[in-house]
Amino acid sequence: GENVEQHPSTLSVQEGDSAVIKCTYSDSASNYFPWYKQELGKRPQLIIDIRSNVGEKKDQRIAVTLNKTAKHFSLHITETQPEDSAVYFCAALNSGGGADGLTFGKGTHLIIQP
Amino acid sequence: EADIYQTPRYLVIGTGKKITLECSQTMGHDKMYWYQQDPGMELHLIHYSYGVNSTEKGDLSSESTVSRIRTEHFPLTLESARPSHTSQYLCASRQVGEQFFGPGTRLTVL
Repeated sequence: GENVEQHPSTLSVQEGDSAVIKCTYSDSASNYFPWYKQELGKRPQLIIDIRSNVGEKKDQRIAVTLNKTAKHFSLHITETQPEDSAVYFCAALNSGGGADGLTFGKGTHLIIQP
Repeated sequence: EADIYQTPRYLVIGTGKKITLECSQTMGHDKMYWYQQDPGMELHLIHYSYGVNSTEKGDLSSESTVSRIRTEHFPLTLESARPSHTSQYLCASRQVGEQFFGPGTRLTVL
């Protein structure tokens, strides 16, 4: 089955700086890669996703890049703000596969220092 | 509004009690999931379902059971709760692509 590794487990950056979280996956058949943000006490919510036919996708201050050859994808947050502090999860899915759904990374605690 | 609903949101019970955590979705999704998550930690898949009358165990061994009699309803039952079951339980659903999560049930077993 799929295995997703996520690094770092904790990331502390100064407000206004950029943050990068990296994930690798093992199953070359995976073709959908979402990123979820989970604020304290809240449910995980999708913030951006990318499909395997695209190398990069951007939405305002967040962007995701995908390298299918190397089987890794990254989340980039620019001009970080205090409200970006949360746990971020990457995930991978073979949309043509079964119902067992997304395989998640273990999460990254992002801390924005004022 | 299409959403995923979980009840109760918080539950404190004694050891040995039988409990059912409710999950309903109005999104018309076939695939549903239960995750166990300690605060801020990784998501552990404990059960999933392809659709009505389908249930499968996930990656994390769990003493709970699930049923899927209706598309929109996916309850999780613990026959005899133990302190080791103290955690947050998140329900989720998906059709194609994006997976949506419910607000979670925070369970404490004394």
